[in-house]
Amino acid sequence: GDSVTQMEGPVTLSEEACLTINCTYTATGYPSLFWYVQYPGEGLQLLLKATKADDKGSNKGFEATYRKETTSFHLEKGSVQVSDSAVYFCALSLNTGNQFYFGTGTSLTVIP
Amino acid sequence: EPEVTQTPSHQVTQMGQEVILRCVPISNHLYFYWYRQILGQKVEFLVSFYNNEISEKSEIFDDQFSVERPDGSNFTLKIRSTKLEDSAMYFCASSVRSRGKSNGYTFGSGTRLTVV
Repeated sequence: GDSVTQMEGPVTLSEEACLTINCTYTATGYPSLFWYVQYPGEGLQLLLKATKADDKGSNKGFEATYRKETTSFHLEKGSVQVSDSAVYFCALSLNTGNQFYFGTGTSLTVIP
Repeated sequence: EPEVTQTPSHQVTQMGQEVILRCVPISNHLYFYWYRQILGQKVEFLVSFYNNEISEKSEIFDDQFSVERPDGSNFTLKIRSTKLEDSAMYFCASSVRSRGKSNGYTFGSGTRLTVV
């Protein structure tokens, strides 16, 4: 079935380090792919998205490229900040139906 | 920025009791959703709701669950007789239109339900 698998955490990085959180997917058809972020005490917020192969989503210094050949949508940031500490969720949505399929979430802690 | 508001943020209930989780979606949104995340597991879809009826539901959403939009602003999830395995974080979401591909959802901050 349709699903998302993302890198398990928790991940702890020093400020200004590079971040990669891996995400791979299984889907019938052509999904749209998303990264959501949950800051402490807040809801899930859309961080970035890509709706077709080779699209690159970007926001707040984060990037992810929709790679159909490897069925991946890895989240990257070149230099993380303490304020990036949060839980990151990879998700997909199909053209049919209303629901999202989420990964388990990856907790990121950035230390000064 | 408009928000989806969920109350309470944390609820503790005894096994077998009924619980109602409340959500206030964004006012011009038409589609409403409930998701849950059991600790350490994936965020799972429960149900979507449009035009005062369920449009899609998952296998998880059995007869113990029901949803309602009682007054045009609130969107509630009721669990009739809670079980220990219902302990989870429950997220409400709303969107202007269906097909998450369009512009994603707006999620609330969640209600953590603990069944003891």
